[in-house]
Amino acid sequence: GNSVTQMEGPVTLSEEAFLTINCTYTATGYPSLFWYVQYPGEGLQLLLKATKADDKGSNKGFEATYRKETTSFHLEKGSVQVSDSAVYFCALSDGRGGSNYKLTFGKGTLLTVNP
Amino acid sequence: GAGVSQSPSNKVTEKGKDVELRCDPISGHTALYWYRQSLGQGLEFLIYFQGNSAPDKSGLPSDRFSAERTGGSVSTLTIQRTQQEDSAVYLCASSFLAATSPENEQYFGPGTRLTVT
Repeated sequence: GNSVTQMEGPVTLSEEAFLTINCTYTATGYPSLFWYVQYPGEGLQLLLKATKADDKGSNKGFEATYRKETTSFHLEKGSVQVSDSAVYFCALSDGRGGSNYKLTFGKGTLLTVNP
Repeated sequence: GAGVSQSPSNKVTEKGKDVELRCDPISGHTALYWYRQSLGQGLEFLIYFQGNSAPDKSGLPSDRFSAERTGGSVSTLTIQRTQQEDSAVYLCASSFLAATSPENEQYFGPGTRLTVT
């Protein structure tokens, strides 16, 4: 079956530090890949997505590239802010047979950014 | 515009009681999804609706769980004879595009935190 593996947190950084959160996946077919973010006390929000190999998703200074050869979709940001403190989830939707509806999530990575 | 809304935001119930959780999707969104977020299992898919029909119910953990959607809008997730292991945050999401589209983006509600005592 499909699965998503994220680096375990928590991750603690100082403001303006570089961020990488690793994500690798296992899927048959051609999944779409997503990063979702959950800020404290709020629901899940879509941060960025990529639907095919070599696509780069980007939003709010975050970016991730769909790497089919390494089955990875690592999240990066060049300079984090305190307001980026949240839980980040990597997810995929199964591209087989039109079943893109079902999101499979990683366990989530808690990021804390200190001033 | 208004996002996905869920009610109640918190629900505490006694073991053995039935509960109903409600989801109001974004207006115009044709697909609706239910997920469960728990400490032990992370985020799990439960069921999805395209219009009023549910092509995939495979994620429902037992026959105590059921869901319906009426008028292509509001959905209700019902848990009968609740057990302590049902305690979790139940998330609803909706999407504008057909659920089977590769461009499908799901927008999530704030969730209902269910505690079974």
